[in-house]
Formats: sequence, C-alpha cells, structure tokens
Amino acid sequence: EIVMTQSPATLSVSPGERATLSCRASQSVSSNLGWYQHQPGQAPRLLIYGASTRATGVPARFSGSGSGTEFTLTISSLQSEDFAVYYCHQYNKWPSWTFGQGTKVEIK
Amino acid sequence: EVQLVESGGGLVQPGGSLRLSCAASGLTFSNYWMSWVRQAPGKGLEWVATIKQDGSEEYYLDSVRGRFTISRDNARNSLSLQMNSLTAEDTAVYSCWGVVLMGPHFFDYWGQGTLVTVSS
Repeated sequence: EIVMTQSPATLSVSPGERATLSCRASQSVSSNLGWYQHQPGQAPRLLIYGASTRATGVPARFSGSGSGTEFTLTISSLQSEDFAVYYCHQYNKWPSWTFGQGTKVEIK
Repeated sequence: EVQLVESGGGLVQPGGSLRLSCAASGLTFSNYWMSWVRQAPGKGLEWVATIKQDGSEEYYLDSVRGRFTISRDNARNSLSLQMNSLTAEDTAVYSCWGVVLMGPHFFDYWGQGTLVTVSS
C-alpha cells in the first residue's frame, strides 16, 4: 500500500494570504497525484490532477507542483470559500488508490 | 447534469449485513471505473473498493476484503456494495465515485453519500 502523508494537519491562514500544503508518498507515484477540496456535507471536489493540472472550472489561485514523492498545493490568495479540508490522492497504483489524511485550512 | 445517488445506509448491529446502492445518471456509466469511498466520523477519506468498467475486475481495501463485495449493472447504470460481518470500524458515510482517465486527463464524479452506523 502506498501511504500518503500530508502536512500540516491544520493550517491557520488569514483571508488573502497564501497557503502551502504538502503531501509525501511512501514510494514514487510519478505525477499521478490529485488534490481534493472537501467542504462539510458536500462531495469532494477535484482541484488538481496530474500533480499540476487544474480541473475544469478551478480558479487559477490553486496550483499544484511536484513529482515522485513530494507534492505541494498552493492557494495564492485565500478566499472565504477556500476554508475546507484538502486531501491528496495517488492514482499511480491503479486502482488501489489511497488518500492522505487531510489538511484542514482554517481562518486565522 | 451528472448525478450519483446513494441509498441503503442505516443502523445495523455488529455482525450484520447491509447493501448499498448507487444510481447514476447523466454520464456514460460503462466508461467509468466505479468505487466506494468512506469517511468515518472525524476521519479522512478512505478508499474501500473499485470495480472495472465491464465488471471483470474488483479491488478491495485489505480490511474489507472477504466481507464486502462490489458489483455493477451497466444496463441499469447502478453500482452496489454488499457489506457483511460489519463492525463498529465500518461506521462511516459511504460515497460512490466514478473515475475515468482520458489520456492524461482525470475526470471524476462523486455522490453525496449514505450513512452506515454499526452499533448495538
């Protein structure tokens, strides 16, 4: 099983500030890495796939980078609707997929 | 509009069984790898099981293999999860999830989930 480890567990950020979330894989997942935003009571929303490609309709303030085992999701200027839990997801080992444990982005 | 609508959740005693269903519309269901993902109270997302587009291959989380069975009916655009020998650790919101890769492009759809509570 590929273990995905996210850090930090909680990130406190003020609106308008930049947020940087990290995800590490226990073995290489190449660029087969996605990021999801999850709001309470809603379905997860795909933000990034292929480590750096924004999904349809995702604002440009969301960007992803990395390959192999180290990945980053950056939100350039946090908006009120961006406070949520974010998960990384590897799909390199198809289809025994795994998620990270999540990073909660909360209002500072 | 794509919709994945789960049903079948509820309260069940430890050791009991439950069958979840997911009705899909608005997408070419037979193109999608279909999965179940769960979220236990206060926990993160956990992949549970996946079935290939034609139903020929199934994959399971180690902790549910042998107890859960995923199946699909492409003629009815439906996905199911038969859950047996349930324990308290299976308590979670279960969501169905459809995924397709088109070249390098990853597309997915999620349902809203159905709550399964295992308790005496």
